[in-house]
Parts: sequence; C-alpha cells; structure tokens
Amino acid sequence: NAGVTQTPKFQVLKTGQSMTLQCAQDMNHNSMYWYRQDPGMGLRLIYYSASEGTTDKGEVPNGYNVSRLNKREFSLRLESAAPSQTSVYFCASSGWGGQGTEAFFGQGTRLTVV
Amino acid sequence: QKEVEQDPGPLSVPEGAIVSLNCTYSNSAFQYFMWYRQYSRKGPELLMYTYSSGNKEDGRFTAQVDKSSKYISLFIRDSQPSDSATYLCAMSDDNYGQNFVFGPGTRLSVLP
Repeated sequence: NAGVTQTPKFQVLKTGQSMTLQCAQDMNHNSMYWYRQDPGMGLRLIYYSASEGTTDKGEVPNGYNVSRLNKREFSLRLESAAPSQTSVYFCASSGWGGQGTEAFFGQGTRLTVV
Repeated sequence: QKEVEQDPGPLSVPEGAIVSLNCTYSNSAFQYFMWYRQYSRKGPELLMYTYSSGNKEDGRFTAQVDKSSKYISLFIRDSQPSDSATYLCAMSDDNYGQNFVFGPGTRLSVLP
C-alpha cells in the first residue's frame, strides 16, 4: 500500500520557468491538499480539494494553480516560478465522514528556484 | 495571536526520559486533534489521533486533550534516540477534513 506518492522528489528551476508537481493517493480518500513547509513557518495550505471536481484556495495560493484530475490525483502547477517559491512541498489526503479525518502525507518535493 | 501555538524547541533530553510536548490553540470549535512526527527530510507521519477531550494511549505515546483549557499534550515514555524528530500538532473543526491547522513543530533530540 503506497499511500501518498509525490513526484518529483527534487527539482531546481530558473526564475520564470514552469513546472507541475504530481500527487497520487491509493487510499480512496475524498480530500487532497497541497502544503508548503518553510523553516520557522510550519505547514501552510496552498490549495485543497474536498472532493473530485472541486478545488479551493488555502492560506498561500498566489502563484499556484491546481487540478484535481480524478479521485486519486491532485497536481500543483507553478506557472512562472519565483525564488520566493523555494520550499518543500507536501501533498496530503484525508477521508471524511465515516472515513476519519486524519491527513496522510507524501514524502515531499524539494524545490529550489534560482 | 496565532491559531495554534507550539514551542519550537529544540528540546534535548537523555535517553529514557519522559518527554512532554504541548500545543495551545484559540479556536474553541476544534474537535479533532492529531500529532505528527517528521524526521529530517521526510514527510510528516501520523502518530496519534484523538477526538474531543480525553486521553489516548498507544505504546509509549499518550495524547491528552483538554478542550476547556484549549491545550493538548503528547507524552513519550522511555524516550529513545529514534524518537529524535520534529513533532507537529494539528487540529480540525469539522468531520470533512478540510480545515487542518498545524502548529509550527517542536524539534526533539533524545541523547544516548
């Protein structure tokens, strides 16, 4: 059981380049999330998707877009990368209702924008 | 005031000590409480999950929730060097998993 899988694990971008971070979960969870983690800032929510076909902004959505491709997959796109987007990105998923509300995380993507 | 406060540490203890990690929060609507452990350069992994007030025990770990004081704790008994990690508290106010709020994490070092 793989849980939450993120790709890539590492990436270096030049300012202005674009890229998509991929995330897939195999736990049949309805909700999926993208967080960024910066030193001293903790985990900050970028976007979330409560169910297939819906997405909503979190605390820090500027400069990002997301797509909930199907129930399993939730991607995060940086259209024009900026050095301020250097961070570690985590995808997470959770059930709701009868499935429980705890979130499960992927292993992270370390992104450096130069 | 931040919604969830957590002492960032670092906290250093000798092997075998009892460790107490704490979070305070301001939103009285929180009902679901979680503790995550994050090793360096890894994703957070769920350690404990509790609903509403009370205690929950799992092996060497005990989670306590005091909703009247808006205070949650994680106790680690007989701490081991393998417990060295950052511990994040998290909480949510609904059963739909959409509104997780995380503390900034406490870095723990257990010295052999």
